[in-house]
Amino acid sequence: EIVMTQSPATLSVSPGERATLSCRASQSVSSNLAWYQQKPGQAPRLLIYGASTRATGIPARFSGSGSGTEFTLTISSLQSEDFAVYYCQQYNNWPPGTFGQGTRLEIK
Amino acid sequence: EVQLVESGGGLVQPGGSLRLSCAASGFTFSSYWMSWVRQAPGKGLEWVANIKQDGSEKYYVDSVKGRFTISRDNAKNSLYLQMNSLRAEDTAVYYCASGEFEIGGYPTYFDYWGQGTLVTVSS
Repeated sequence: EIVMTQSPATLSVSPGERATLSCRASQSVSSNLAWYQQKPGQAPRLLIYGASTRATGIPARFSGSGSGTEFTLTISSLQSEDFAVYYCQQYNNWPPGTFGQGTRLEIK
Repeated sequence: EVQLVESGGGLVQPGGSLRLSCAASGFTFSSYWMSWVRQAPGKGLEWVANIKQDGSEKYYVDSVKGRFTISRDNAKNSLYLQMNSLRAEDTAVYYCASGEFEIGGYPTYFDYWGQGTLVTVSS
């Protein structure tokens, strides 16, 4: 089973600044990686798939990069609505489509 | 508009059973792999099970194998999760989820999520 490790567990950033979240796979997942955003009391929302393709309706300030085992989600200028928990998920090897443990993005 | 609506959650004693349902609309249900993903209180996301379009393939996370059964009824656009021998560690919000894109005939990421249904296992 592929293990996904996200860092940091919590990231404190001021509105308007850039946030960089990391996700590492225990073995190569090629570019078969997705990112999700989850706000309290809500279901996750797909942000990025294929490591770097934004899902429908996702603002351009969200960008993804990486391949193989190292991936990054960057939010270029944080808006108030971006403070949430972010998860990565690999789908190169099913089952299971493993998730990372999440990064909580909080207001500094 | 795609909608996934879960139901059937509630409070159940350890060792008990519960059946979750997910009603789908707004897309061709019979064309998609369907999955259950759960989230324990204050914890991260965990994929639980998925089922192929025609029900011929089913996969489970190790911790629920032999206790949970995923099924679907394409005529009713519905997904189910029969949960037996429930344990305290099964306490979670259970989400129904799906996605359009496949690789090699297998599911990938989740475009669509329901709002979730809470299962609490406690005496």
